[in-house]
Order: sequence, then structure tokens, then C-alpha cells
Amino acid sequence: GAGVSQSPRYKVAKRGQDVALRCDPISGHVSLFWYQQALGQGPEFLTYFQNEAQLDKSGLPSDRFFAERPEGSVSTLKIQRTQQEDSAVYLCASSVQGWDTQYFGPGTRLTVL
Amino acid sequence: AQSVTQLGSHVSVSEGALVLLRCNYSSSVPPYLFWYVQYPNQGLQLLLKYTSAATLVKGINGFEAEFKKSETSFHLTKPSAHMSDAAEYFCAVHGSSNTGKLIFGQGTTLQVKP
Repeated sequence: GAGVSQSPRYKVAKRGQDVALRCDPISGHVSLFWYQQALGQGPEFLTYFQNEAQLDKSGLPSDRFFAERPEGSVSTLKIQRTQQEDSAVYLCASSVQGWDTQYFGPGTRLTVL
Repeated sequence: AQSVTQLGSHVSVSEGALVLLRCNYSSSVPPYLFWYVQYPNQGLQLLLKYTSAATLVKGINGFEAEFKKSETSFHLTKPSAHMSDAAEYFCAVHGSSNTGKLIFGQGTTLQVKP
């Protein structure tokens, strides 16, 4: 596709449920980033992939958060046993290489009740 | 560690007036700096970026920013505001020399009054 796509665009989960958020990066982009954007805040880095390798996961807030990119293209961010504080917009971005311009998807808005 | 501070969470200007959004950075290495814009329910769109070439950077939609090392600033300007400029603006710096992850400021909401 022409840009980064994310699905679903909106997700409502009950506290304690597991969720999976999908990111389709721009074709051919080696680098993929996940960010979390709380209401009224700037995005905060979660994790980084170079192809299928997860090279930086220093931003993941807890061991309930897990990300994968098994074939070096599509990525999934999984949150286990969701909590209310997980409510945020989750943004995915891709770039040709790590330091190149990052192109962002529209985000997935997660609401945990 | 790298960081950015955006002064003013809300800025209101009249249509046709100068837009000035402030950003100060902290970096232990020569920084790469960015301005992104976010419209409601959309992702971030790159306005412009500084990568140690010219200190005055021109971007899309008539925006520009000037890198001032002595002031550790990278303020965003536009000579004449348009109603369509109303959005959230984020300043960002590369947070890692290895991965290119971005460190964002808190954002500034720009309101344009008719």
C-alpha cells in the first residue's frame, strides 16, 4: 500500500482481556517502531525492529506487552491482561532504515474498561 | 540523554497572523530534529527535519524552522496562519544513535481563529 496501515482503528477491551494490534508497514521498509500516545501527551517509544529482529524493547512498560515481526514485514503488538492505564493510541511507524524519516500509521485507539 | 521541551501547550492565533511554536532540545550529540503535525484521529505527518545541513529548514505547507545551537532551540514558524493549520504539533529528537527512535515533546495545540 501507499502508507502504513494499522488495524483495528478502535478497540474496546474489558480489563483483563488480551488484545492484539496489527501494523502493516510500507513495503520494503526495514525499520519498524511502536509508540504509545496517552491522551494529551506526545508519543512515547515502545519498541524497535530491524527486519525481524527486535533490537530495542526498552520502552515496553511491563512484561504484559509483547511485540513481534516474524517475517520482517507485518508486526503485532500484544497486550496481555489489559489494565485501564493501557488505554492510549498505539502508533506504528516505519522507515527505510533506522535513521531515515519515519512514516506513521493512523494509530489504534485502545480503550480498556 | 536526549529530550525536547515544547513551551506552551496551547497557542492561539488569528488567521493571517504569524505562527510561532517553540521547541528547545537537550542532546549530548549533534541532534537530528523534527517537527510533526497531527490532525484529529490521524497519525503524525512530517513537516520538516534538521539533519545538520542548513540551519534554516523549509518544510511543507509553508512552515520553516531554524536550528540555533547557542540557544538549543528549533522553533517552528509560518508567516501567515491558515484555518487548516489548526492541529497538534510535536517536536522530536532522535533518542538513540543506534536505532533512530524518536523522543517527542508534549505537543502544542494550535488554534486558528477566523
